[in-house]
Amino acid sequence: GEDVEQSLFLSVREGDSSVINCTYTDSSSTYLYWYKQEPGAGLQLLTYIFSNMDMKQDQRLTVLLNKKDKHLSLRIADTQTGDSAIYFCAELYTGTASKLTFGTGTRLQVTL
Amino acid sequence: DTGVSQDPRHKITKRGQNVTFRCDPISEHNRLYWYRQTLGQGPEFLTYFQNEAQLEKSRLLSDRFSAERPKGSFSTLEIQRTEQGDSAMYLCASRPPAGTGSLEQYFGPGTRLTVT
Repeated sequence: GEDVEQSLFLSVREGDSSVINCTYTDSSSTYLYWYKQEPGAGLQLLTYIFSNMDMKQDQRLTVLLNKKDKHLSLRIADTQTGDSAIYFCAELYTGTASKLTFGTGTRLQVTL
Repeated sequence: DTGVSQDPRHKITKRGQNVTFRCDPISEHNRLYWYRQTLGQGPEFLTYFQNEAQLEKSRLLSDRFSAERPKGSFSTLEIQRTEQGDSAMYLCASRPPAGTGSLEQYFGPGTRLTVT
């Protein structure tokens, strides 16, 4: 199946860590992505992880993948007000199109 | 600007009218995608082009929708006899040719369609 789920909303204080979670159902997906969407802007790729990895770190971002539980998370360290946005996880299906299947998005609100 | 561009950014139309959107991908990208994003949801795949060939279409792409990429560069998405349910953000994305090692789809800013 092609079903990606995320919690709808997360509020954190500036300087704290944020953890955004995602579950997916298709174990054949090869890559998993995190995109950021700010109001009025397109989707910005933050990071991605290959399905045979369990962790990837990129500056303030840490991606954890639990393939057994089909669970993906994005941790943002030292969250800033500029991190306020909607975050989407997405699965890549290899094939003719190599299309992305997105989750519903998590709105991150960073408060002072 | 070397990113993906879309035109118009906003379109308001009356039910039953036809609309056409344009996407200009990054110049060396031969792969092009259209997605649709409704309010509160993530983008959903509509169709895929490799060069000028339309290689995959979602079941979301009803007969009222048609997409073209005649010269393998820009693409158009036309919706005929628009319905209120067509109101959404239409996103275009492009990718470099296979073999370049890039796994990223580069998204444009989208065209927001409102059908009244």
